[in-house]
Amino acid sequence: DTGVSQDPRHKITKRGQNVTFRCDPISEHNRLYWYRQTLGQGPEFLTYFQNEAQLEKSRLLSDRFSAERPKGSFSTLEIQRTEQGDSAMYLCASSINRGESSYEQYFGPGTRLTVT
Amino acid sequence: ELKVEQNPLFLSMQEGKNYTIYCNYSTTSDRLYWYRQDPGKSLESLFVLLSNGAVKQEGRLMASLDTKARLSTLHITAAVHDLSATYFCAVDSYRTSGTYKYIFGTGTRLKVLA
Repeated sequence: DTGVSQDPRHKITKRGQNVTFRCDPISEHNRLYWYRQTLGQGPEFLTYFQNEAQLEKSRLLSDRFSAERPKGSFSTLEIQRTEQGDSAMYLCASSINRGESSYEQYFGPGTRLTVT
Repeated sequence: ELKVEQNPLFLSMQEGKNYTIYCNYSTTSDRLYWYRQDPGKSLESLFVLLSNGAVKQEGRLMASLDTKARLSTLHITAAVHDLSATYFCAVDSYRTSGTYKYIFGTGTRLKVLA
């Protein structure tokens, strides 16, 4: 068990460019979550998957944001036409329903996006 | 709309003292979570509370849940410097669509002074 990994760890992009982030969950975890966190705030929920199905999508996720988990394993989060307001830490987490720790989420290190 | 509020937002305390962080949420929830975040780091899961009256303890931290009051507490006993971090509570709420929504609290920034 190597934990949740995210790539890249840092991304600097110019406004208007598209960016894509990848998340690899813990191998047996069937749920995968994306959050956005800005400085001094708690994580804001963006979306989650159960296996390959995207079950919930926040209103924060505008039509410029899309997420996929095509084979129920890794996931990608794409932001099109980035804006300076998209600058944040993007966190991925995964979980599995397991008794007393039901759906306890394990977080990756995050991808820090800076839009210039 | 589901809201999660923590109190206090900032807490500066002396080593060896006890204190409690409060987490209030606005609607029914299936599970309540506590996380720790160190500066520049990701979140570490501390506790998952599943039912009314649940109490969990790990070291100097103890978390409890009162679903009737929609309140969870994180109690710190005999604080040490290593506990300095930001603590978040979070809830998930089952929706009629059959999915869940996850909401984090505002966070409590704890600083333990030697």
